[in-house]
Amino acid sequence: DTGVSQNPRHKITKRGQNVTFRCDPISEHNRLYWYRQTLGQGPEFLTYFQNEAQLEKSRLLSDRFSAERPKGSFSTLEIQRTEQGDSAMYLCASSEPGTRYVETQYFGPGTRLLVL
Amino acid sequence: LAKTTQPISMDSYEGQEVNITCSHNNIATNDYITWYQQFPSQGPRFIIQGYKTKVTNEVASLFIPADRKSSTLSLPRVSLSDTAVYYCLVGGLYNDMRFGAGTRLTVKP
Repeated sequence: DTGVSQNPRHKITKRGQNVTFRCDPISEHNRLYWYRQTLGQGPEFLTYFQNEAQLEKSRLLSDRFSAERPKGSFSTLEIQRTEQGDSAMYLCASSEPGTRYVETQYFGPGTRLLVL
Repeated sequence: LAKTTQPISMDSYEGQEVNITCSHNNIATNDYITWYQQFPSQGPRFIIQGYKTKVTNEVASLFIPADRKSSTLSLPRVSLSDTAVYYCLVGGLYNDMRFGAGTRLTVKP
């Protein structure tokens, strides 16, 4: 399977703990995105990488959130001092270089986080 | 950013054709229209993308009128497995990829 993979698929943690999620994009894709999705809502953009450079961060990404993409391959999203409001599905997507005006994102299965 | 409006929910029966319309009055010249499908506990899946007129693939058709202020996703002969949330996005590059609440399609037997 050469799709986007995410690990773990599920994570239960206690409030105040740190968690880290991993995303492995499709190998030839140089763009990588993180989204958060809560129940009944569409995905909300969090951050975006082109190769190893983090080019955009949403205001939703508080100081407790940090994302990295070393060497432009896989990416990690860390949440420090988790809060119950962080409970959500965290989605990763990747895209290949497209035209100047459009691209198609391919999503992973997501990591469902529950903060108790 | 072009804002999109689509119905919150739709019901259909197996074998019927389903048309989901998305309004995007403020679409920009360079914007493309993209539809995604999402099943519960899965990430969204790309369905179809277009700029103008009609686009068809093995899964769906996308109709875009000349003024491009709306678009219609057409799913032929739906089955129970097409029950999902369908998102209409207008834009192109990463900073335009804003998902709304989508249209929840329920296909009944």
